[in-house]
Amino acid sequence: GAVVSQHPSRVICKSGTSVKIECRSLDFQATTMFWYRQFPKKSLMLMATSNEGSKATYEQGVEKDKFLINHASLTLSTLTVTSAHPEDSSFYICSASPPFGGVQETQYFGPGTRLLVL
Amino acid sequence: KNQVEQSPQSLIILEGKNCTLQCNYTVSPFSNLRWYKQDTGRGPVSLTIMTFSENTKSNGRYTATLDADTKQSSLHITASQLSDSASYICVVRTTGTASKLTFGTGTRLQVTL
Repeated sequence: GAVVSQHPSRVICKSGTSVKIECRSLDFQATTMFWYRQFPKKSLMLMATSNEGSKATYEQGVEKDKFLINHASLTLSTLTVTSAHPEDSSFYICSASPPFGGVQETQYFGPGTRLLVL
Repeated sequence: KNQVEQSPQSLIILEGKNCTLQCNYTVSPFSNLRWYKQDTGRGPVSLTIMTFSENTKSNGRYTATLDADTKQSSLHITASQLSDSASYICVVRTTGTASKLTFGTGTRLQVTL
């Protein structure tokens, strides 16, 4: 099946630094990718929709200047957590769908990136 | 408000036993419902996807049902294995150009010896 990868799998950083997380669709092109955040024992919460070649669409309550999203190619989207603070510590997951899947289209999720801000 | 509720929140069963997880939703307009398995520290992996007209769908030992009238779905796991220990998430998609996914909070299943 389709594969979505993320890098890094986990990162520990100091408060105030910026962290970049990459999401790649390995065997299909994705004009749209999605970024989620998941806190322990909680459900995935959509943060933003990443659109290739245009600005990302952010969900209500998500700061676009803090969570910078770049979707420069059809196989790569990046999420940069700027000036990270301990409350940003979470599990970040991206997903993408192969094009033309129709109503049966499946979103393929990356393995996630565990961020710990000290 | 679009919501997806799952029950039970957590479940412990013995290896080899069967179990059924429940999902009730209020999402509208409905497009499809998916069940995902999420291992700890990993991204979700799709198990089944069902549209309005589908009542049941199987994937190996996993069988999902959908009652679009009552807006309920279930995931039945047969002959559980230790590797089935994970969170199972019910996700409902709406139709239209503003199509969105609504995630349930998941059921944490632990299969023990």
